[in-house]
Amino acid sequence: DSGVTQTPKHLITATGQRVTLRCSPRSGDLSVYWYQQSLDQGLQFLIQYYNGEERAKGNILERFSAQQFPDLHSELNLSSLELGDSALYFCASTDYRGQESRMNTEAFFGQGTRLTVV
Amino acid sequence: QKEVEQDPGPLSVPEGAIVSLNCTYSNSAFQYFMWYRQYSRKGPELLMYTYSSGNKEDGRFTAQVDKSSKYISLFIRDSQPSDSATYLCAMSAKRNTPLVFGKGTRLSVIA
Repeated sequence: DSGVTQTPKHLITATGQRVTLRCSPRSGDLSVYWYQQSLDQGLQFLIQYYNGEERAKGNILERFSAQQFPDLHSELNLSSLELGDSALYFCASTDYRGQESRMNTEAFFGQGTRLTVV
Repeated sequence: QKEVEQDPGPLSVPEGAIVSLNCTYSNSAFQYFMWYRQYSRKGPELLMYTYSSGNKEDGRFTAQVDKSSKYISLFIRDSQPSDSATYLCAMSAKRNTPLVFGKGTRLSVIA
């Protein structure tokens, strides 16, 4: 168990709809990352939050948004869903208590949310 | 050219074999290198982490990084059927920055 919790595990929704995926990072981790995994593209970075602030953006569509709350959990909002958005969405966390002196930068992943758009 | 290239396999080996998995990369700024194992329908699980060049060993697993060739490897000794999974290499230039992943190599270890 990585300590990163994602809900829901599975989500089936129709095109045009909006969904929210939730992530609770490992206790004490300040940084949360969202990744999308599809068969043809592999794991693609979407967005990173650090202690409530957006830190880095990757290949995230404008229809997608995220936020990190004061308790450090994060939500990824996907709207106007298309068939091509069907994928596994993973959350990962790092940076236990912001210990910048640590060499380690391991990212621990949750079990993912499988999104199916029909 | 993709930043990280990884042969997708699939790779099938008999139990007890030595497995070699590799990735090449193009960004010379990468200095943090990781190998993740992902079982079907599960999240990636960190196996090995290496900073800069060199070797690191952990049980049956050895990770090697050759920054001059921009090439990293993961060796699995005495492979077991439980090692059957997809192996992903990942790397980043700085601490706590997004990882760039290879597409993963699917490994099957046959009993």
